[in-house]
Amino acid sequence: DQQVKQNSPSLSVQEGRISILNCDYTNSMFDYFLWYKKYPAEGPTFLISISSIKDKNEDGRFTVFLNKSAKHLSLHIVPSQPGDSAVYFCAASEGPGGGADGLTFGKGTHLIIQP
Amino acid sequence: NAGVMQNPRHLVRRRGQEARLRCSPMKGHSHVYWYRQLPEEGLKFMVYLQKENIIDESGMPKERFSAEFPKEGPSILRIQQVVRGDSAAYFCASSPTGTGDNTGELFFGEGSRLTVL
Repeated sequence: DQQVKQNSPSLSVQEGRISILNCDYTNSMFDYFLWYKKYPAEGPTFLISISSIKDKNEDGRFTVFLNKSAKHLSLHIVPSQPGDSAVYFCAASEGPGGGADGLTFGKGTHLIIQP
Repeated sequence: NAGVMQNPRHLVRRRGQEARLRCSPMKGHSHVYWYRQLPEEGLKFMVYLQKENIIDESGMPKERFSAEFPKEGPSILRIQQVVRGDSAAYFCASSPTGTGDNTGELFFGEGSRLTVL
């Protein structure tokens, strides 16, 4: 029973264009959502987060949008750069920092930026 | 300011042996989480510990797995009598408080990759 779903295992985008990564969740108790980026043989690194009281959070080239009624969030990267090629994990929790149950992760989307 | 340190980075064990994975959280962090990533899967929560206390082990298999975070020293994830299905990357994360900081962020180590032959 996957509570956080990333339905696209991979996504290929041309350099300079917008990358849009999607994530759906089923647990209505989730109120904190995070995106992590992971390079091979490294640990995940935090990218951006959003709490359920907001519908948008922006940090430089990265923007996360949250649609609570649809239980959907997306990460926009614009413009996409070669260094953005990595696996992106969507994560959710019932409180900041993971709370007692930790973060629930999706399976990840492998973003490939084409030159 | 060192990040989360995990060792060993790679560990090979034969079936039936024991595996011990260590995690030193970031300086000033007293909350540690362990996650497991199986091939082609996302990270799955295993256990959440504070110093000398297990807060939540709901993601940990009931048998063969144990975790501790002693008053002194690193957190240890111990797997007894390993089987091939235990082969995975084990990630440790830490946070300064149980509620993380304002971003909700957990800080991850680089992982320990266990291979069971």
